[in-house]
Amino acid sequence: QQQVKQSPQSLIVQKGGIPIINCAYENTAFDYFPWYQQFPGKGPALLIAIRPDVSEKKEGRFTISFNKSAKQFSLHIMDSQPGDSATYFCAAANAGGTSYGKLTFGQGTILTVHP
Amino acid sequence: EADIYQTPRYLVIGTGKKITLECSQTMGHDKMYWYQQDPGMELHLIHYSYGVNSTEKGDLSSESTVSRIRTEHFPLTLESARPSHTSQYLCASQPPGPRSGKLFFGSGTQLSVL
Repeated sequence: QQQVKQSPQSLIVQKGGIPIINCAYENTAFDYFPWYQQFPGKGPALLIAIRPDVSEKKEGRFTISFNKSAKQFSLHIMDSQPGDSATYFCAAANAGGTSYGKLTFGQGTILTVHP
Repeated sequence: EADIYQTPRYLVIGTGKKITLECSQTMGHDKMYWYQQDPGMELHLIHYSYGVNSTEKGDLSSESTVSRIRTEHFPLTLESARPSHTSQYLCASQPPGPRSGKLFFGSGTQLSVL
C-alpha cells in the first residue's frame, strides 16, 4: 500500500527557477513530514521538516507548504542553483509515542538545475 | 553531525553466500534503522532497534536479520543471498528526544547478488 505519493518523478529547471515537488499522504495519523536530499553515492540527509500544527516552514531557500485538509505537502526551492541538483524524498511518520524514525518515503524526485 | 559508517561500500557475491553488512555509529544513539532502497529509488524500512538487545522488523518484509549487541553496532545478515536481494542498503541512527525526527544516514552498501 503506497501511503505517500510523490510527484513529479523528475524535474528540470534553469538556475534561479523555483522547482516545486508535491506529496500526498493517506494515513491521517501521520504527524511528522520531513524532506530528505540525496546526492549520488551518499545517503539521504534531512533538509527540512514540518509538523501539522503549521501551514508553512522556511529554512533558507527551502520552504514546505502543508495542507492538512487536503493531506498534501510540497517543497519549494527558491533561487535554485546547480548544486541543488539531487534526488529529493518526502516522507511521513507517526511517532505513536515512540519514535519519528520509522519513515514512510515517497518515490523520490530527481531534480536537475541547469546553469 | 553524526558519524555513521557502513562497510563494505560495494559487494558483489554469488547466490547462496552468507553476508553481513556492517553499520557503526560513534554518537551513542540508541535508535538505529535499516532501510532498503530499490532501483526505483524508494526507501523501505526493513529493521529497527531502540537499544541493545532490541530489534524489530519494519514495514517491508525482509529475509535479512539484524542484531544489536553493542549500542554503536547494528549489523545486517543474509544467511543465503539471492538475486532478489540485490539492492542498496542504508543504515541510519537517530538522536535522543521525544520529538526528534532527524535521521543520520550512512552512505549505504550496494549489494549485487549474481
